[in-house]
Amino acid sequence: NAGVTQTPKFQVLKTGQSMTLQCAQDMNHEYMSWYRQDPGMGLRLIHYSVGAGITDQGEVPNGYNVSRSTTEDFPLRLLSAAPSQTSVYFCASSSPLAYPYEQYFGPGTRLTVT
Amino acid sequence: KQEVTQIPAALSVPEGENLVLNCSFTDSAIYNLQWFRQDPGKGLTSLLLIQSSQREQTSGRLNASLDKSSGRSTLYIAASQPGDSATYLCASLIFLSSGSARQLTFGSGTQLTVLP
Repeated sequence: NAGVTQTPKFQVLKTGQSMTLQCAQDMNHEYMSWYRQDPGMGLRLIHYSVGAGITDQGEVPNGYNVSRSTTEDFPLRLLSAAPSQTSVYFCASSSPLAYPYEQYFGPGTRLTVT
Repeated sequence: KQEVTQIPAALSVPEGENLVLNCSFTDSAIYNLQWFRQDPGKGLTSLLLIQSSQREQTSGRLNASLDKSSGRSTLYIAASQPGDSATYLCASLIFLSSGSARQLTFGSGTQLTVLP
């Protein structure tokens, strides 16, 4: 199993550009989520999904959009990039059937918005 | 809203010392607590997961404890080594009121440096 994969690893955007961060998992996990990590801080939840076709907002959703058309994929879209979105983005997945619901993380995408 | 705090923010110790990292949380209705390691510029490596019904978990030189009633968890590292230098994050898992959705709330981490 590849686990949770994220692409790209690094990205530089100009203010106002849009892009999609990709996340995929091959563990058949129903629950997937996106976090951002800023310097000196822990991870904060952006959006999450409890299954295909179902998404909801986390703690810091503004400026981001998500969709979940398949169990495997959970892309994160930046609609109009802003310097405040410079961060490291992590995708995670877990199974609601596998107590104690351990979360598995991808390697992260490092995004710089200039 | 769950809040997770880690103290200290940074810690520097000589090689061979035993040390304790602290994590506190405000909502005791957690399902589990995970400890992660993060090396500079890298992703998260899961170290230990303690279920809400457990008091501690051990893996090699690492031992994590959980006291839900006091809202505290500790990560004990025995005989520290320079290779243990990293940032250590704790995170608590709670279920949101909407039902199956869950949220992992992270502390801001303790940056550990083990000096040779």
